[in-house]
Amino acid sequence: AQRVTQPEKLLSVFKGAPVELKCNYSYSGSPELFWYVQYSRQRLQLLLRHISRESIKGFTADLNKGETSFHLKKPFAQEEDSAMYYCALSERDTGRRALTFGSGTRLQVQP
Amino acid sequence: EAQVTQNPRYLITVTGKKLTVTCSQNMNHEYMSWYRQDPGLGLRQIYYSMNVEVTDKGDVPEGYKVSRKEKRNFPLILESPSPNQTSLYFCASSSGTSGTDTQYFGPGTRLTVL
Repeated sequence: AQRVTQPEKLLSVFKGAPVELKCNYSYSGSPELFWYVQYSRQRLQLLLRHISRESIKGFTADLNKGETSFHLKKPFAQEEDSAMYYCALSERDTGRRALTFGSGTRLQVQP
Repeated sequence: EAQVTQNPRYLITVTGKKLTVTCSQNMNHEYMSWYRQDPGLGLRQIYYSMNVEVTDKGDVPEGYKVSRKEKRNFPLILESPSPNQTSLYFCASSSGTSGTDTQYFGPGTRLTVL
């Protein structure tokens, strides 16, 4: 079965510092990977997906199939980036259409 | 306004008393899904539906039922709730049938089972 691991429950950085939120997955097929974000008092929303290879709010993530990772990066953290971040995986090459989320990482950006 | 709505937003009930949490979307989305969110465990998918009358189990389906009789509605049914089902529940929908499109989430339903 597929699994998504986010090893850090909390990541605290200072404003302007680089950020890397780790996501590792285990899945034997071809996955589709996402990062979702939940800001305080807001609904969970999509941040980015690997298939579109875009940068949203300065965040990027690259799928590394060799290391089975999809780490989220931003070169200079802003206070408004403080939120809960979830990595998620969807199976692209099976008939199953389930989504598996990691346990989440809380990012705190201090002034 | 395009959105996913859930009702009720908060519910306190007792063990064994059947309950239904409703979920509705107005975006004509094919795919709908239910998740529960627990501290340290993140979101876990309970059930999903790719289209009307098509549902499948997620990672934690035990103790839950769903139905998809209409495209816009996807209620979550707890026939005999137990305290371990105390959690924050989210409904989500997306266009397409694969679940790989952007998921739009509801505001959440906080359920307490005593």
